Amino acid sequence: KAGVTQTPRYLIKTRGQQVTLSCSPISGHRSVSWYQQTPGQGLQFLFEYFSETQRNKGNFPGRFSGRQFSNSRSEMNVSTLELGDSALYLCASREGRTSNQPQHFGDGTRLSIL
Amino acid sequence: QKEVEQDPGPLSVPEGAIVSLNCTYSNSAFQYFMWYRQYSRKGPELLMYTYSSGNKEDGRFTAQVDKSSKYISLFIRDSQPSDSATYLCASGGGTASKLTFGTGTRLQVTL
Repeated sequence: KAGVTQTPRYLIKTRGQQVTLSCSPISGHRSVSWYQQTPGQGLQFLFEYFSETQRNKGNFPGRFSGRQFSNSRSEMNVSTLELGDSALYLCASREGRTSNQPQHFGDGTRLSIL
Repeated sequence: QKEVEQDPGPLSVPEGAIVSLNCTYSNSAFQYFMWYRQYSRKGPELLMYTYSSGNKEDGRFTAQVDKSSKYISLFIRDSQPSDSATYLCASGGGTASKLTFGTGTRLQVTL
């Protein structure tokens, strides 16, 4: 079974631009979560989607948004990019949305803001 | 205070040593505990998953949870250079479906 696939692997953008990141979950997994990982803060939860609906949201500004499609694939969008948005963005999937199910991660998208 | 606290290290040990990695958590609702391993330029990989208190063993790895003291541990026996990575603890449970992660401990196993 293929794992979680994230594209692109690397992105370089400038301040003020916007970016869209993509995530394809493991086949059969309906829950997709997004995290931001930085050296100082570790993994910080952005949001979770299940059955095309956002079910949970972390403490990030409205510039960070996402969506999920009927095939469970998910996209994350960041608008008006800031230098502080430079990070590794990780997507994780699991079958359902209860916390007793472990999440499986992709290798992330490394976003650099110049 | 973060809900899950983890010493960032780095922790350097010689090959063959027993490694102890630890986390503490503050949310009494947490019931599920996981350890992930993350190599450089890769995503976190699930290593161990435990429910409530007790021990779980898988090969050279043992996960231990003590809910009374809110303490999570991962032991690695006969450590190898290939174990060099960042180890992340995570917890979940209660009404929230999300996982809460520690900041990770960087481990270096030297020859």
